[in-house]
Amino acid sequence: KQEVTQIPAALSVPEGENLVLNCSFTDSAIYNLQWFRQDPGKGLTSLLLIQSSQREQTSGRLNASLDKSSGRSTLYIAASQPGDSATYLCALTSMEYGNKLVFGAGTILRVKS
Amino acid sequence: GAGVSQTPSNKVTEKGKYVELRCDPISGHTALYWYRQSLGQGPEFLIYFQGTGAADDSGLPNDRFFAVRPEGSVSTLKIQRTERGDSAVYLCASSPRTGYSGELFFGEGSRLTVL
Repeated sequence: KQEVTQIPAALSVPEGENLVLNCSFTDSAIYNLQWFRQDPGKGLTSLLLIQSSQREQTSGRLNASLDKSSGRSTLYIAASQPGDSATYLCALTSMEYGNKLVFGAGTILRVKS
Repeated sequence: GAGVSQTPSNKVTEKGKYVELRCDPISGHTALYWYRQSLGQGPEFLIYFQGTGAADDSGLPNDRFFAVRPEGSVSTLKIQRTERGDSAVYLCASSPRTGYSGELFFGEGSRLTVL
């Protein structure tokens, strides 16, 4: 059974700091991995999608990497800003689950000004 | 509207009551998903519609939960004989694609509280 774990569960950093969020998964037979942002009381917004054949994706200050062999993905946020404060969720689709996303529990990020 | 719309945004009900949650997807999106998110957890899959039919309902926890999408657009998630454990945020998402492509648009959710 695919399990997705996110570490740390919560993170507080000062503004301007670079940071890394971690996501690990147990079954490497994935189709793609996606990072989402969730603001309190809101739905999810897709940040980056990495196909299984790709190693990384970048969008602005965000960079996501994927290492299927070790079952890990990281989300790197450069020069963090208070507006980055949110919960970050990783999710993946896999051979076992088809079109269904399997989510981690998320990392709650707080960027202090 | 421009995005996925879910109503009600908040619903408080008593144990044993019947509840309906509505999702209005982005116009033209053929795929529709329901997820449930408990406090401090990531969303968990409930059911996936492709058009009018439920292509995968393997995430529905038991027979008290049922969902329909009669005209291939709006979907309703129905919960009978609600229990306190059903309290969660119910998220709906739609996609223009049949297979999973990452183009998934979420609504803001319906927060259900069962007293």
